[in-house]
Amino acid sequence: QQKVQQSPESLSVPEGGMASLNCTSSDRNFQYFWWYRQHSGEGPKALMSIFSDGDKKEGRFTAHLNKASLHVSLHIRDSQPSDSALYFCAARNNYAQGLTFGLGTRVSVFP
Amino acid sequence: GALVYQYPRRTICKSGTSMRMECQAVGFQATSVAWYRQSPQKTFELIALSTVNSAIKYEQNFTQEKFPISHPNLSFSSMTVLNAYLEDRGLYLCGAREVNQDTQYFGPGTRLLVL
Repeated sequence: QQKVQQSPESLSVPEGGMASLNCTSSDRNFQYFWWYRQHSGEGPKALMSIFSDGDKKEGRFTAHLNKASLHVSLHIRDSQPSDSALYFCAARNNYAQGLTFGLGTRVSVFP
Repeated sequence: GALVYQYPRRTICKSGTSMRMECQAVGFQATSVAWYRQSPQKTFELIALSTVNSAIKYEQNFTQEKFPISHPNLSFSSMTVLNAYLEDRGLYLCGAREVNQDTQYFGPGTRLLVL
């Protein structure tokens, strides 16, 4: 069973629009979450981390974490064509150093 | 900023042969390096985690005998895929992290094709 589940699998957003991505963990030991973005032919690049309940904003990106429901989301405001990529949610627990990734959400921003 | 390089970017090997890939951290000290394999079906599979001056920890389904790793200093790590077969195909990524930092920085990956 996938311990980190992402939805939707894919998402099309008009340029300038809002993209909303979801991630849910089935392992209550996961306490630390990241969002990574991967463009074709590249490695994943860390967008932001979130460890505490509530919102965290960095530029056009806002992450929200609800530890009680083990749900984390990512919202991309004013989407740009360069935001078209695979977005991965990754989680870690207190004692492991490696990350557990979801299957990803493919975001396409169209003009 | 923190940069991670990997080489080669792409390699093809014959079934049953071995292939070594390298990972280099620039701009920070990579006290821990995690090796992953990315495939369409299984997203990122953690192969092993290497921390300088500590034993390398392999995940279930991955062994040192198949994926030996070297992490001799704070900027370099290498992993070999021994006796590669079709199921070893994929994009091999290294994620490096600095001590007291939480985020792993990834290289572009080494894509392994097995004929």
